Amino acid sequence: ETGVTQTPRHLVMGMTNKKSLKCEQHLGHNAMYWYKQSAKKPLELMFVYSLEERVENNSVPSRFSPECPNSSHLFLHLHTLQPEDSALYLCASSPGRLPANNEQFFGPGTRLTVL
Amino acid sequence: LAKTTQPISMDSYEGQEVNITCSHNNIATNDYITWYQQFPSQGPRFIIQGYKTKVTNEVASLFIPADRKSSTLSLPRVSLSDTAVYYCLVGEENTGFQKLVFGTGTRLLVSP
Repeated sequence: ETGVTQTPRHLVMGMTNKKSLKCEQHLGHNAMYWYKQSAKKPLELMFVYSLEERVENNSVPSRFSPECPNSSHLFLHLHTLQPEDSALYLCASSPGRLPANNEQFFGPGTRLTVL
Repeated sequence: LAKTTQPISMDSYEGQEVNITCSHNNIATNDYITWYQQFPSQGPRFIIQGYKTKVTNEVASLFIPADRKSSTLSLPRVSLSDTAVYYCLVGEENTGFQKLVFGTGTRLLVSP
């Protein structure tokens, strides 16, 4: 248990559906992250929020829309996804955004399958 | 692209010491070196972080030479449960925000 929870753990959706992934951290951290991990590929950083402000958007398609209503919650809204978007989506949080205090705590991930 | 290079895979046996070396020739002055462990279908887990010389915690040691162009993660007396992918990362400066870029990692297989 890392103090970062994600729901749902598994999600199957059609290309026309709209769904949301939820992440919650109970660690009092100031930064939160979304990563994508496809089969046999490195983790790809998608979005970074620091104190609820988006500070990084790593050229992610607009069909992925993040939301950070407060420092404890992070959402990833999904719409009109493609089958190649099927992956493990990981949320992480860290105390700060500088390397010295940037130990990231990851959630268990949401396994997304797009049909 | 990741700034690190590490072996794709390593094999070991229970009870042995495992050393995984990572190259980061272009490490910047303000970059820290961090190692993570990942089991299948789980998020990575922080193992250890250092800036220079040697760092030791309850699970591993990290050796960093003076030029900081490489680092070695040392796992003492591995067990079957240490079978996982190990990532070496250095912080990267981008638009004023330090971020971590994961490479392909080293897949460690521990056998009985």
